[in-house]
Amino acid sequence: DTEVTQTPKHLVMGMTNKKSLKCEQHMGHRAMYWYKQKAKKPPELMFVYSYEKLSINESVPSRFSPECPNSSLLNLHLHALQPEDSALYLCASSQGATGPRRPMNTEAFFGQGTRLTVV
Amino acid sequence: AQTVTQSQPEMSVQEAETVTLSCTYDTSESDYYLFWYKQPPSRQMILVIRQEAYKQQNATENRFSVNFQKAAKSFSLKISDSQLGDAAMYFCAYRSAWSSNYKLTFGKGTLLTVNP
Repeated sequence: DTEVTQTPKHLVMGMTNKKSLKCEQHMGHRAMYWYKQKAKKPPELMFVYSYEKLSINESVPSRFSPECPNSSLLNLHLHALQPEDSALYLCASSQGATGPRRPMNTEAFFGQGTRLTVV
Repeated sequence: AQTVTQSQPEMSVQEAETVTLSCTYDTSESDYYLFWYKQPPSRQMILVIRQEAYKQQNATENRFSVNFQKAAKSFSLKISDSQLGDAAMYFCAYRSAWSSNYKLTFGKGTLLTVNP
C-alpha cells in the first residue's frame, strides 16, 4: 500500500467556518507534511511532523492549525480563513530520520489533495 | 539555501517522440537527492524518478531517464516514446541527504503537452 488518502477532495467554506482536512497513510512513514499549492505553482511547504512532533512550521498563520494524533493520521484544522487561502492542500509522507543521518528512503508520497475554496 | 530552476515553463512533444525537460540547481552540499515529480490534471504528485548525488550512474525508470551532471548541477529528464498520459506538470525537486528537516525544494515546473 503506497497510498496517502486525503479527505475531503473538495471543500467550500465561509470565512467564519471551522473545518478540518484529514490525511491518512499506512506505509509506516514517520514524517508527514502539509503543502499548499496555488494554480500552476509548485507546492509550498506549510508544516512537517516527525515522529508525531511538529518539526517545521513555515511561518504559517495561526488560522491553520495542524495536528498529528498518531503516526498514521495528520489533520489540518481551518478557522477564519481568507479568500486568498483558497488553494489545493496536499498531504505527503515519507520515512523519517531521527537525526542528521542519511534517510534510507527519501521520496515523499503525496495524496490527491483537497481543493479548498473560501467564500 | 538551495534553489531549483526549471527554465522551460512549457514544452510540447509529438506522441511517440522524445522530449527532454531541463533542471538546474544550486547547492553547497555534496550529498543530496534529486527528484522528478509529475502532476497530471488529477492533481496527485507522482514520483517519476529519483537520483542520489553520490551515484554517478544516471537513474532510469522504463521510458524515463535522467542526465545527471553533478559538476554542472544539472538534472534533466528525458521521456522516450511519449504517450498522451505523459501530459502533465513536471516538477524537479531537491532534498538534502543529511538534513533531518525533510524539506523538498521544488522548481517552478514545466507544463508538458503531448500532441497526438
